[in-house]
Amino acid sequence: RKEVEQDPGPFNVPEGATVAFNCTYSNSASQSFFWYRQDCRKEPKLLMSVYSSGNEDGRFTAQLNRASQYISLLIRDSKLSDSATYLCVPKGAGNMLTFGGGTRLMVKP
Amino acid sequence: SQTIHQWPATLVQPVGSPLSLECTVEGTSNPNLYWYRQAAGRGLQLLFYSVGIGQISSEVPQNLSASRPQDRQFILSSKKLLLSDSGFYLCAWRWEVEAFFGQGTRLTVV
Repeated sequence: RKEVEQDPGPFNVPEGATVAFNCTYSNSASQSFFWYRQDCRKEPKLLMSVYSSGNEDGRFTAQLNRASQYISLLIRDSKLSDSATYLCVPKGAGNMLTFGGGTRLMVKP
Repeated sequence: SQTIHQWPATLVQPVGSPLSLECTVEGTSNPNLYWYRQAAGRGLQLLFYSVGIGQISSEVPQNLSASRPQDRQFILSSKKLLLSDSGFYLCAWRWEVEAFFGQGTRLTVV
């Protein structure tokens, strides 16, 4: 099993829709979790962090399910500008940072 | 404030030529530094990470090597490039739990 797995998509949704994608991780010792956003041909940038059960920031909600070892990202009222690739990163106690393959989101007018 | 510089932004190199990509961080000391590669339409593959001067951990055996000659300098090298080395190379540093990336180098091996 891969350390981090994501559905590559693309998820094609209309503006205003609600969309959610999951990220599963294999290391049960992971302590914190992050969602990064990567625009086409650009570097990834931190979107949200999740340390306990969940985190909400405006239209974005990240949730953690430790029992099933996955984190999810929910985007409400999608905007055209939300089109990007979303990468998840579970962070363990060590120094490694292993990114998921990313989920591509395309929001259409 | 901390910043990370990575250069060059784009590079076209012939097969068999050497490679040297440089990454420097400002505004912090003893950062954890990382090199990633991203193939077109794919995720980030961790290549190397370093927790200090001269300390390199390799995650994927391949045609590349890394060095950390100074605290805030991380270099990715190759003696002879392969076509499969083409990709988007990203340097990152980590502060506590968040990673900050350089703007990346788009390498095309021809």
